Amino acid sequence: GENVEQHPSTLSVQEGDSAVIKCTYSDSASNYFPWYKQELGKGPQLIIDIRSNVGEKKDQRIAVTLNKTAKHFSLHITETQPEDSAVYFCAASYDSGGGADGLTFGKGTHLIIQP
Amino acid sequence: GAVVSQHPSWVICKSGTSVKIECRSLDFQATTMFWYRQFPKQSLMLMATSNEGSKATYEQGVEKDKFLINHASLTLSTLTVTSAHPEDSSFYICSASVLYEQYFGPGTRLTVT
Repeated sequence: GENVEQHPSTLSVQEGDSAVIKCTYSDSASNYFPWYKQELGKGPQLIIDIRSNVGEKKDQRIAVTLNKTAKHFSLHITETQPEDSAVYFCAASYDSGGGADGLTFGKGTHLIIQP
Repeated sequence: GAVVSQHPSWVICKSGTSVKIECRSLDFQATTMFWYRQFPKQSLMLMATSNEGSKATYEQGVEKDKFLINHASLTLSTLTVTSAHPEDSSFYICSASVLYEQYFGPGTRLTVT
């Protein structure tokens, strides 16, 4: 089955700086890669996703890049703000076109924004 | 849009009893619903995949007789933890999918005493 590795486990950055979280996956059949933000005691919130036919996707301060050959994808957050502090999870799944399979998650990155 | 609710948000039950958790997609019809479990400071682990009107598909190691899933409609799925034990205490989170995107509920904290 799929295995997703995520690094780092904890990331502390100064407010206003950029943060980068990296993930690798093992199953070359995976073609959908979402990123979730989870605050304490809450469910994960989808913040951005990318499909394997795209190399990069951006939404305001958040961007995701995908390298299919190397089987890794990254989350980039620019101009970080205190409200960005949370646990971020990357995930991977396979979508056959008839709906996605369940997600395999990375272990999470605790992002801390220092004021 | 794409709001998923769960009920209850937290529950405490005694060992040996059963607990039912509801998952609803409020503003869309979900082709598939998923159930995940998350232990403290750990990642989410997929337990089962549920399609409306079909039997759920369970991940390896998840006991289907212990975690009963019913998917009665395109907006409602339920998870029943039967004969609960303290080791079943966890954060249970459902998600509902629209095509390939999954939207998660707020989770249910289950504590078995």
